[in-house]
Amino acid sequence: EAGVAQSPRYKIIEKRQSVAFWCNPISGHATLYWYQQILGQGPKLLIQFQNNGVVDDSQLPKDRFSAERLKGVDSTLKIQPAKLEDSAVYLCASSWDYRGEQFFGPGTRLTVL
Amino acid sequence: KNEVEQSPQNLTAQEGEFITINCSYSVGISALHWLQQHPGGGIVSLFMLSSGKKKHGRLIATINIQEKHSSLHITASHPRDSAVYICAVKDSNYQLIWGAGTKLIIKP
Repeated sequence: EAGVAQSPRYKIIEKRQSVAFWCNPISGHATLYWYQQILGQGPKLLIQFQNNGVVDDSQLPKDRFSAERLKGVDSTLKIQPAKLEDSAVYLCASSWDYRGEQFFGPGTRLTVL
Repeated sequence: KNEVEQSPQNLTAQEGEFITINCSYSVGISALHWLQQHPGGGIVSLFMLSSGKKKHGRLIATINIQEKHSSLHITASHPRDSAVYICAVKDSNYQLIWGAGTKLIIKP
């Protein structure tokens, strides 16, 4: 069974530029999560989707971050414009439903210069 | 006080030793996760449990719901087990509350 796929694995941009991350969850998983993990800290949930609907985006900085899961499968997370403090690993996870075990992708390491 | 506390924060052991990492929590939970994170980022889910004990290879996880405590054990530890081990609980809203992690180093 294929795991959660993410791309790119690494991205370096300058502040005020835009960046987008892509996630393909495990086939059949209805729930998809985006986390931000700053070095030395635990992951922080940015947004949770159930199919193509948003369940929780309370910690998403909506002035610069956006995410979508249009067909209830793949998802993209965008930052526009990026700030230095956005440097982090962005993790995507999926689960069969909101109660289930979460499986994580390899993450995208973003460096903002 | 954090809702999920792990101990120890750091653990260094020799290859072959029996390892125990502890997790205590203070909230009502629907399930508890143990996860592994290697340098470079990727997180691997090891166990999700809500009662009793689970075993996978050299890894064993136990949970005591009454005492709000879980342990992760590694038998016959190996240098490749070196990683950060994270305890996370699903609260009553099914949101994950993360522990700070235990950094484990196994020396050959």
